Amino acid sequence: QSVLTQPASVSGSVGQSITISCTGTSSDVGRYEYVSWYQQYPGKAPKVIIYDVSNRPSGVSNRFSGSKSGKTASLTISGLQAEDEADYYCCSYTTTTTLVFGGGTKLTVL
Amino acid sequence: QVQLQESGPGLVRPSETLSLTCTVSGDPVRAGGYYWTWVRQHPGKGLEFIGYIYYSGETYYNPSLRSRASISIDTSKNQFSLKLHSMTAADTAVYFCARDRSASEYFDSWGQGTLVTVSS
Repeated sequence: QSVLTQPASVSGSVGQSITISCTGTSSDVGRYEYVSWYQQYPGKAPKVIIYDVSNRPSGVSNRFSGSKSGKTASLTISGLQAEDEADYYCCSYTTTTTLVFGGGTKLTVL
Repeated sequence: QVQLQESGPGLVRPSETLSLTCTVSGDPVRAGGYYWTWVRQHPGKGLEFIGYIYYSGETYYNPSLRSRASISIDTSKNQFSLKLHSMTAADTAVYFCARDRSASEYFDSWGQGTLVTVSS
């Protein structure tokens, strides 16, 4: 199964908003509402920040939001903070009853 | 609060079989509603789903690894395990165990990860 397509890197200044896209196919992102997003710091395990396309787990800042249109899901981070600098991964359920990740996006906060 | 911890060798010889175990505490693996999962991350690269198992023993694998991977579960020890056969240098990675919420298909808990190097 092919990985979902994410931009390799994005950047933004403190206080700005950024959006990370995640493009899949009709067998994954385009078919299911089971898209999740993970934040990962170097040397650490990933942490879920969005699930079911747009739901935030308890304790996750409301600066993080998710959406989906067709085969592309998006993660938006508003009011960028220095602590948001990390790698971000999307993930989707697939028709093979498995999960597939995006290639990851490195966020740099300027 | 559930906690997961990977254990296993940090070094594996080429062609050998990797065996990793994930010990779960704070929640029984036989509880329904979760898939117990293995994910890996090659050095400096992205995350790769390996496969997962339900407490009943039902398993699903990444098609690209299905021929070499085997996941099992031991409810008496509250553990689940990964075997990956015919290891090569390309399997050098950090291996994570994680819990997937089956109703929404997302990973709500992760182990810290363990680095496995394939080298002679």
